[in-house]
Order: sequence, then C-alpha cells, then structure tokens
Amino acid sequence: GNSVTQMEGPVTLSEEAFLTINCTYTATGYPSLFWYVQYPGEGLQLLLKATKADDKGSNKGFEATYRKETTSFHLEKGSVQVSDSAVYFCALSEGNAGGTSYGKLTFGQGTILTVHP
Amino acid sequence: AAGVIQSPRHLIKEKRETATLKCYPIPRHDTVYWYQQGPGQDPQFLISFYEKMQSDKGSIPDRFSAQQFSDYHSELNMSSLELGDSALYFCASSSLRGPNTEAFFGQGTRLTVV
Repeated sequence: GNSVTQMEGPVTLSEEAFLTINCTYTATGYPSLFWYVQYPGEGLQLLLKATKADDKGSNKGFEATYRKETTSFHLEKGSVQVSDSAVYFCALSEGNAGGTSYGKLTFGQGTILTVHP
Repeated sequence: AAGVIQSPRHLIKEKRETATLKCYPIPRHDTVYWYQQGPGQDPQFLISFYEKMQSDKGSIPDRFSAQQFSDYHSELNMSSLELGDSALYFCASSSLRGPNTEAFFGQGTRLTVV
C-alpha cells in the first residue's frame, strides 16, 4: 500500500532561518505529491503540489521537487516567518487514475513548525 | 471564493449516542471526501462519493455511514459513539472537471464523546 514518512518534529527555528522538512513516500503507481498546512484551529490548506517526476511545486516562498529516484518530496523555504508556524503534512494521491481526482490522500504524520521572532 | 462548509463546528455527545455531521462542497464540485484526524494524528481517509455514489472506502467503522445528496452535500452518520471516536472530522471536495482537481478542505467538525 501507499505510505508517507515525514521527519519527526517539532521543528523550532528563528525568523529568517532556512527550513527543510523531509518527506519520503512509498507508492505502487505514479502518485501526485502534496504539501498541506494546518494552522491552529483551522482546516487543511493546500500549500503546493507536483504531479509528475521532476516537477517543482512552489507557493508563498515554499518549494518542493518531486524526486522519483529518491522517492522524496522535501519542503524548503529560504527564510521563514513567524506566520509560517503551523503543522505541515506531506501527502500523496494516486490521482486521476481510473477517473478519481486528487482527493483520496495518504498523509504523513505531520511536522509541527514553530518560528520565533 | 466559496469554500467547503462543515457543520456543526463543534459537537459534544455521550457514549452510545448518534451524531450527524454535514458537509457542503464548493459549488460545482462533484466529489466529497471524509477524513478523521485523531489528536496529534494525521488525517485518515474514511469514505468518498462521486456524483452521489460511493466511490471509495477507507478505514470507516461499520457504525458509521455516509451519503451524498442530490444537491451534492454529504452527511456522515455516526452511531453507538465510543470515546475513541473523539476527533476532528474533515470534509473535502474536488472536481474531476477542469485543470485543477486537488481537494479543498473544510475547517472540520470537532467531535467530543464523553
């Protein structure tokens, strides 16, 4: 079956520090990969996605590259802000296989990020 | 822009009671997904519906049932509630049409079973 493994947290950084959250996956087919962010008391928001190997997803200064050879989709940001404090989930979907869309997701454990001023 | 609406936002029930959670997808979205997120856990897929038919099933207990109605809203019915059912329940919607078919999540319903 499919699975997603994220680096364990929590991660605590100072403002303007460089962020990396590692994510690796196991899938039987050719999944699409996502990063979702969950702010306190809120739902899950899509941060970025990549649907095929070597695609780079980017949004709000965050980026991640779909690496098929290492089955990875690590999240990076060059300079974090206090407002980036949240829980980050890496996820995969078989997506558009047999007509399904990207909504059936397998999530990683989540990584809590805290950014201090 | 309209988002996925879930109601209620919070619900407290006693053991062995029944709960009904509602989800209103983004307009013109044809697919609804339900997820359960336990405390400190990642969301787990429960069930999905496409065009009012069940399209996929995950780790949904037999005590739970769900359906999607003609207006595309969905309801998750949970019976014989147990303490372990306390969790955040998310609904997400998506569409098979158009270039972007990713899922958009609601803010969730926090169910507490006492």
